[in-house]
Amino acid sequence: EAQVTQNPRYLITVTGKKLTVTCSQNMNHEYMSWYRQDPGLGLRQIYYSMNVEVTDKGDVPEGYKVSRKEKRNFPLILESPSPNQTSLYFCASSPLRRSSYEQYFGPGTRLTVT
Amino acid sequence: EDQVTQSPEALRLQEGESSSLNCSYTVSGLRGLFWYRQDPGKGPEFLFTLYSAGEEKEKERLKATLTKKESFLHITAPKPEDSATYLCAVQALTQGGSEKLVFGKGTKLTVNP
Repeated sequence: EAQVTQNPRYLITVTGKKLTVTCSQNMNHEYMSWYRQDPGLGLRQIYYSMNVEVTDKGDVPEGYKVSRKEKRNFPLILESPSPNQTSLYFCASSPLRRSSYEQYFGPGTRLTVT
Repeated sequence: EDQVTQSPEALRLQEGESSSLNCSYTVSGLRGLFWYRQDPGKGPEFLFTLYSAGEEKEKERLKATLTKKESFLHITAPKPEDSATYLCAVQALTQGGSEKLVFGKGTKLTVNP
């Protein structure tokens, strides 16, 4: 089954404790992206990647890191999480062709930073 | 600055009562406009892509249209299972030459039986 998976689905952590949210897709998509979704603010892009070893900042990259060493994986790293990073996070992927933004989204990771 | 504005923020309909959702945008170098459906606690699900003014796409009770400044999602004779948040997004060209997706805040649709 074609899908985007994220782990963990739920995470409660404390300020400053490094964490990684994994994202994997099995559709051989070139494009992958991370979003956060907050009430009243909608979906905002954090980082995206057009291909392996190619990443770029989205609208809200501060406090986050990403890497794209393999085509299928695109982990999101929070080196020192803070309470303002409490949010619902989505990973997405799409092929790079004219319809390149028919993105497939993962199920989401709900992160709480205390 | 690239912007996508959706209206209304929330819409309540009776089953069978047709209506439209609006998405207006101001972006440089529009590459495409997308509609997604999102159920509570889940990831958005792709519905339509529109590329040029005048284009229309249909899927069951939904029909999306595009003009040079806005898009409409028409819902004909909705059913309770159409209740969801509908998101509009535009594909925009950045100053650096790459492309990004800019989302609106969504319209929360509730269809009462």
